Amino acid sequence: DARVTQTPRHKVTEMGQEVTMRCQPILGHNTVFWYRQTMMQGLELLAYFRNRAPLDDSGMPKDRFSAEMPDATLATLKIQPSEPRDSAVYFCASGPPGQEWGEQFFGPGTRLTVL
Amino acid sequence: AQSVSQHNHHVILSEAASLELGCNYSYGGTVNLFWYVQYPGQHLQLLLKYFSGDPLVKGIKGFEAEFIKSKFSFNLRKPSVQWSDTAEYFCAVNEDSGYSTLTFGKGTMLLVSP
Repeated sequence: DARVTQTPRHKVTEMGQEVTMRCQPILGHNTVFWYRQTMMQGLELLAYFRNRAPLDDSGMPKDRFSAEMPDATLATLKIQPSEPRDSAVYFCASGPPGQEWGEQFFGPGTRLTVL
Repeated sequence: AQSVSQHNHHVILSEAASLELGCNYSYGGTVNLFWYVQYPGQHLQLLLKYFSGDPLVKGIKGFEAEFIKSKFSFNLRKPSVQWSDTAEYFCAVNEDSGYSTLTFGKGTMLLVSP
């Protein structure tokens, strides 16, 4: 049963620390999306990649957030330095080739708490 | 930019009651429509989707949704809810083109009491 995996599942850190979240998309999927979920804002798209190339990261605060795909099996989202307002659940999702506008498959999320 | 509105933030129903969750979107072109469900503590899972064809779409667990183009709506329905349907439901839309991303509504939290 192919699934998107994310690590860590939970992260508690102090303000100012660097946070790295990792995502392994479903094998063969070529689009990867990063979302942030908060009570106030709901689900927000932060960035997305197609064939490892960033297509849109306009939803991401550029000064502290960065997203990369070092290879087809790994996507990373970094926050440096982290702030309390970054506390949220961060979801990664992937999609199969030829269906960029279709269904996205979500990972279990990383629950981040910044103290 | 397109937007998605879900009319109810919270819905409370008793078991066996009928459910209808509203969803409206703003984009005027051809769209693809989705309903996702997020059970407590879990990730989003697809309930159903509409790309084209019959505007009445049937999904998993007895859910269905009807696409009404003239009303820009894609409401989710279930004739008889169960306690296990307690979850948050998200409507999502994207343009039917190669590089469009999903726009999600804010979600509706459904609580079904036994």
